[in-house]
Amino acid sequence: AQSVTQPDIHITVSEGASLELRCNYSYGATPYLFWYVQSPGQGLQLLLKYFSGDTLVQGIKGFEAEFKRSQSSFNLRKPSVHWSDAAEYFCAVAHNNAGNMLTFGGGTRLMVKP
Amino acid sequence: GAGVSQSPRYKVTKRGQDVTLRCDPISSHATLYWYQQALGQGPEFLTYFNYEAQPDKSGLPSDRFSAERPEGSISTLTIQRTEQRDSAMYRCASSQDLNQPQHFGDGTRLSIL
Repeated sequence: AQSVTQPDIHITVSEGASLELRCNYSYGATPYLFWYVQSPGQGLQLLLKYFSGDTLVQGIKGFEAEFKRSQSSFNLRKPSVHWSDAAEYFCAVAHNNAGNMLTFGGGTRLMVKP
Repeated sequence: GAGVSQSPRYKVTKRGQDVTLRCDPISSHATLYWYQQALGQGPEFLTYFNYEAQPDKSGLPSDRFSAERPEGSISTLTIQRTEQRDSAMYRCASSQDLNQPQHFGDGTRLSIL
């Protein structure tokens, strides 16, 4: 069965520091991969997506992610974190042979220290 | 509309009651998805529609759960004879078609007493 693992439940970084959120997936075919961010009381906002092509994808708010097939990973990065980045981040894989339904990881809650 | 709209934002009901949640997708979006998100977890797929067709109901936890999208636009998710374990955030998403990213609404927080 397909699955997505986000090993870090909580991460705390200082404002201005770099960030990497880990995501590993298990999926038989070529995956469609996504990162979403969820701020308190808000819906899920799409940060970036990987469908094919360049394995380094750029997203909104200065985020990027790199697809590494050999490691089954799609880690999210940002060079310098802002206090407004504090939120919960979800990695997801789409089942492109099943209506593109998404399987989500359990999420990583990011806290930013001043 | 400009975004996916879900109503109500919050619903509190007693165990055994029926509830209906509503999702108004982005205009012209063909595909609509329902997810259930328990506290502290990622969303889990329930069902989806492509226009008014409902090709996949595999994520619905029991036959107490049903969804409709009769005219291929607004959708409702109904839970009959609610149980405490149904307490969760219910999220709706829509996409332009099956190959486009999903846009999520703010969700309905359902609490069963």
